[in-house]
Amino acid sequence: KQEVTQIPAALSVPEGENLVLNCSFTDSAIYNLQWFRQDPGKGLTSLLLIQSSQREQTSGRLNASLDKSSGRSTLYIAASQPGDSATYLCAVFSGSARQLTFGSGTQLTVLP
Amino acid sequence: DAGVIQSPRHEVTEMGQEVTLRCKPISGHDYLFWYRQTMMRGLELLIYFNNNVPIDDSGMPEDRFSAKMPNASFSTLKIQPSEPRDSAVYFCASGLGGSNNEQFFGPGTRLTVL
Repeated sequence: KQEVTQIPAALSVPEGENLVLNCSFTDSAIYNLQWFRQDPGKGLTSLLLIQSSQREQTSGRLNASLDKSSGRSTLYIAASQPGDSATYLCAVFSGSARQLTFGSGTQLTVLP
Repeated sequence: DAGVIQSPRHEVTEMGQEVTLRCKPISGHDYLFWYRQTMMRGLELLIYFNNNVPIDDSGMPEDRFSAKMPNASFSTLKIQPSEPRDSAVYFCASGLGGSNNEQFFGPGTRLTVL
């Protein structure tokens, strides 16, 4: 059974810092990995999707990498801003049941 | 496109009552997913449909939960009878499936069962 872990559970940084969020998964037989953002009381917004054959994806200040063999992904946020404050969730699409398995998220606070 | 639409956004009910949550997926998406999010268990997949047909309902917690998708633009998740432990945020998501499987989430329904 696929398990997804995100470390740290919470992170607080001053504005302008570059930061890295970590995601690990136990079964490397994945189809893709997706990073989401969730604001308090809101739904999930898809940020980046990396196919299993890809190593990284970039969107603006966000860069996500995937090392399938080691079961790890990172989300890099450059020049963080207070508006980046949210919970970031990693989800892996895998298995014969073709399901998304979510991590518990990293709650990010960017201080002005 | 308006994105995935869910209603109601908030629901407060008493134990034993029937609750119906509604979802309209993004037009053209042939996969629809129902998730539940709680502090204790995080996000869990309850059931998903492909072309209106339920494919995997192994995440549905009990017989009190049922889901239908009568057509490509509408799905319901029903809880009857509701219990306090059903209190959670319920999300609907849709996607095109295939090897991409990017999923787009609705705003969720926050359910409180007293």
